[in-house]
Amino acid sequence: DSGVTQTPKHLITATGQRVTLRCSPRSGDLSVYWYQQSLDQGLQFLIQYYNGEERAKGNILERFSAQQFPDLHSELNLSSLELGDSALYFCASSLDGGAGQPQHFGDGTRLSIL
Amino acid sequence: ELKVEQNPLFLSMQEGKNYTIYCNYSTTSDRLYWYRQDPGKSLESLFVLLSNGAVKQEGRLMASLDTKARLSTLHITAAVHDLSATYFCAVEVDGWGGADGLTFGKGTHLIIQP
Repeated sequence: DSGVTQTPKHLITATGQRVTLRCSPRSGDLSVYWYQQSLDQGLQFLIQYYNGEERAKGNILERFSAQQFPDLHSELNLSSLELGDSALYFCASSLDGGAGQPQHFGDGTRLSIL
Repeated sequence: ELKVEQNPLFLSMQEGKNYTIYCNYSTTSDRLYWYRQDPGKSLESLFVLLSNGAVKQEGRLMASLDTKARLSTLHITAAVHDLSATYFCAVEVDGWGGADGLTFGKGTHLIIQP
């Protein structure tokens, strides 16, 4: 158990809809990362937050947004969903996002778009 | 754009044999991570390599990093069935806010047969 909690575990929705994925980092970790894992794109970094502020952006689509709240939990919002957004979305956390710190991954949210 | 290439992408081997997975990356970095993923599961941190010449060992797995060659290896000694999984290497580089998100290779799907 990594200590990173993601909800829900599974989400099934339709094209055009909007969903919110939630992540609680490990106790004491200030930095949260979001990744997308799909068969064709592999594991891709989306976005990082540190103590409530955006720190780094990866291959995140404009239809996607995220935030980190004062209690350090994070939410990833996906809107105008397309079939290609079907994937496993992971949240990871590290102590303070500094170099050389391993990221600890949650169990992921599997998103299926019908 | 940072590229991380693993090979092989698929490996079937017999128990008791030795083998090496290779991870090449395209830009200067001295921070390399290895993760393990079981089917449908999260990513488990295996090794963190933070300098040229770093070598880490855990049980039958040994990882090394050559930053000059931009190459990391994951060596499996006397493989056992329990090591069957997908292994990812990931490279970390600096971003504007500190360490950036990880860039992953496509993963090596390892099957160990009795």
